Order: sequence, then structure tokens, then C-alpha cells
Amino acid sequence: DTEVTQTPKHLVMGMTNKKSLKCEQHMGHRAMYWYKQKAKKPPELMFVYSYEKLSINESVPSRFSPECPNSSLLNLHLHALQPEDSALYLCASSQVRDREQVGDTGELFFGEGSRLTVL
Amino acid sequence: GQNIDQPTEMTATEGAIVQINCTYQTSGFNGLFWYQQHAGEAPTFLSYNVLDGLEEKGRFSSFLSRSKGYSYLLLKELQMKDSASYLCAVKGDMRFGAGTRLTVKP
Repeated sequence: DTEVTQTPKHLVMGMTNKKSLKCEQHMGHRAMYWYKQKAKKPPELMFVYSYEKLSINESVPSRFSPECPNSSLLNLHLHALQPEDSALYLCASSQVRDREQVGDTGELFFGEGSRLTVL
Repeated sequence: GQNIDQPTEMTATEGAIVQINCTYQTSGFNGLFWYQQHAGEAPTFLSYNVLDGLEEKGRFSSFLSRSKGYSYLLLKELQMKDSASYLCAVKGDMRFGAGTRLTVKP
């Protein structure tokens, strides 16, 4: 299984709503990532989890709250978002260096993304 | 930290060869990735270089020079479906460069 599964694929929410994006992988990867991507821009790193601990937070506003309940799951909790937060949110996973097998590259495996619209 | 530079846009003709460059500055180097991303889709892995030289994979090849902080992706026999964004990233914290949007014309 080399899939990263993201749900929902599409989400429309108001500025006062609370919602969550979910990501799941069963490749045994111990690093998981959230990226935000606006149209015609590259994916922008938001958060990195390594061994279920937050290792990188790219100064993301607190209205985005990540959570990694176990090694297979990554959530992004959304609260009081702004219209400019509308974007494609991509989840990815990779093996961590000290667990790479011979021939592993440590590449990112991406989910298909959750397209978020904030009204 | 790291800094990655790529041209933002390139145009090429079907059947031709195109080279997309990537320069990087990083405090530690463990390898460089190239990804392809079609509009509205997730990025997909193309290649990985950790040693100097050329890695060939079908119509796509990737080159690395660690001493120069430089890589390129070479696409041969271009097809219309190669129109996409091409992203380079240094292995580690996985931030992408700005990406190069390639348009292949008939």
C-alpha cells in the first residue's frame, strides 16, 4: 500500500466554523507533513511531524492546529479561518532517515489533497 | 535553512529537449528531489540525486553537482502531457523551490 489518503476531498466552511482535515498512511512512515498550495504557486510547508512529535511549524497562524494521534494519522484542525485560507491542503509522508532501508530515497508520498473554500 | 532557485516559466516544443535548472544553498545536504505536478493534482516523485552525476530514467534524467549547488532535470522527446510544474526540493525539511511551469506546444 503506497497510498496517502486525505479526507474530505472538498470542504466549504464559513469563517465561524470548526472543521478538520484528515490524512492517513499505512506505509510505516514516521514523518508526516502538511502543505498549503495556492493556485500557480508551489506547495508551502506548514507543519512537519517526526515520530508523532511536531518538529517544524512554519509560523502558521494558530487558527490551524495540527495533531498526530498515532503514526498513521495526521489531522489539521481548522477554526475561525479567513477567505484567504482557501487553498489546496496537501498531506505527505516519508520515511525518516534512521529508518530508511537500502534503496530508500526518503521521497515524499502525497495524498490527493483537500480543497478548502472559506466563505 | 535553505534557499532554492528555479526559473518560473519555460516553453518548449513537442519532441524537443528541455533542461530545467535548480540551484540551492543549504546548510546540510542529503540529496535532492525532483517532482512533477500537473494542475489540480498532487506532486509525484520523478528523481532523486545524492551523488554527483547524471541519473537517467527513461525520457527524464537528473543531474547533480554538489560543489556547485546545482541540479537540472532533462526532459527528452517532449510530449504534450509533460506540460506541468516541476519542483525541486532538498532532502531534509522538504521545502520546495518556486517550481518551473513548463508549457509544451505542438
